[in-house]
Amino acid sequence: ETGVTQTPRHLVMGMTNKKSLKCEQHLGHNAMYWYKQSAKKPLELMFVYNFKEQTENNSVPSRFSPECPNSSHLFLHLHTLQPEDSALYLCASTYRGQTSGNTIYFGEGSWLTVV
Amino acid sequence: AQKVTQAQTEISVVEKEDVTLDCVYETRDTTYYLFWYKQPPSGELVFLIRRNSFDEQNEISGRYSWNFQKSTSSFNFTITASQVVDSAVYFCALSTRYMDSNYQLIWGAGTKLIIKP
Repeated sequence: ETGVTQTPRHLVMGMTNKKSLKCEQHLGHNAMYWYKQSAKKPLELMFVYNFKEQTENNSVPSRFSPECPNSSHLFLHLHTLQPEDSALYLCASTYRGQTSGNTIYFGEGSWLTVV
Repeated sequence: AQKVTQAQTEISVVEKEDVTLDCVYETRDTTYYLFWYKQPPSGELVFLIRRNSFDEQNEISGRYSWNFQKSTSSFNFTITASQVVDSAVYFCALSTRYMDSNYQLIWGAGTKLIIKP
C-alpha cells in the first residue's frame, strides 16, 4: 500500500472540460511534487511545493494550475487541455530536512487522456 | 553538468536468468545520492534503493544487488534468477547538492526489462 494516493487513477476529458487531479500523502512529508510522464519521453518535473509554498514551476503552461492547501494535499487543476497533454501524471512527496538527498516517494499516477 | 545515462533501452531475458541494468552518471559535486526506481505497467514508481556518494559498499536485498563504483561513475543493478514479476521499466536517478536545493532529481531515460516465462 502506497503512502501517496492519487485520484482519479484514470481520467478522460474533452478539451473544453475542467477537471482536477488529487494527491494525498500519509507519510508526514513536507514537500510535494507533480511530474508528467509522456510516452517515450523522460520524466518531467512540473511543480514543487515546500511547506505549501510553490518553489518550482518548470515553465508549465497556465492550463495546468496547482494548489497545495496543506503539506498533505496537492491538486492539479486542468482546463482547456490539448491532446498532447495526455500522459501519466505522478504525484510525489519527500521530507525536506537539514540533510539532502531524501528519498522521493511516488503515488500510483493518474492516467489522463484528452480527447 | 548533471546527467544520468541508461544506455540499455530494452532488455529481454528468459525467466531465471540473471540480468544487469547499467547506470552511468555525471556530476562535479562530491556529495550526491543515487537512486533506483521500478515502474511496473500500472504506473507507480516504486523506490528500490538510495545510496550516497560516500558509501561504496555494494548492497544486496534478496535477488536484487547494486554495484556502486565511483571510479567509473556507475551504479549498476543486478537481478538474480529473474522472475516474470520483475518485468517493468527501471529508472536510475541522481540528486546532487545543487539539484537537491531545488528539490529535484536527474532521471535516466529508463530501461524496459522484459522477463519471458
